[in-house]
Amino acid sequence: TQLLEQSPQFLSIQEGENLTVYCNSSSVFSSLQWYRQEPGEGPVLLVTVVTGGEVKKLKRLTFQFGDARKDSSLHITAAQPGDTGLYLCAVNGGGADGLTFGKGTHLIIQP
Amino acid sequence: NAGVTQTPKFQVLKTGQSMTLQCAQDMNHNSMYWYRQDPGMGLRLIYYSASEGTTDKGEVPNGYNVSRLNKREFSLRLESAAPSQTSVYFCASRPTGGRGETQYFGPGTRLLVL
Repeated sequence: TQLLEQSPQFLSIQEGENLTVYCNSSSVFSSLQWYRQEPGEGPVLLVTVVTGGEVKKLKRLTFQFGDARKDSSLHITAAQPGDTGLYLCAVNGGGADGLTFGKGTHLIIQP
Repeated sequence: NAGVTQTPKFQVLKTGQSMTLQCAQDMNHNSMYWYRQDPGMGLRLIYYSASEGTTDKGEVPNGYNVSRLNKREFSLRLESAAPSQTSVYFCASRPTGGRGETQYFGPGTRLLVL
């Protein structure tokens, strides 16, 4: 059983559209992180959410942590080709606070 | 400031060959990690080192060994490579090991075992 379920697995949309991707679990977490990975590179941290119900904004990206701290969402407004990448959610729990990742959402923004 | 560096970038091995993947960080971080990334599986933790001189197993340690040579360097060794170890390997580090702390990843090593 996967600890973190991400959906959708793949998403391809046109430039300028809005989208939301999800990270769900049946477990409660003290914090949750979102990373973005571009082809040929390692993941890069976008945000850490800590408090249930918390909303954080990073330019056109809005991150929300569920009230019960079991799930999170990432909303992108007016998507641009530069947003293309693999979006990963992750939580601590892999041993000495290593990360456990979801399988990711592959996002393609077409010009 | 290079961050986390990994060598080599690419490697092709034959089954049964051995190799060592190198990782170094210049951020004075205490904790270092090795992950593998496979299609449809996400990233999975292989081994970690919470501080210089200590190492421990992660989720998928079988077939691997590690060495924390000093605070900067953390190497991953495949003693007898198998096709199932074909993957992209990422090294990561973080400052003190506190929950929710940022992990910094290297660019990865792409390994193909024939």
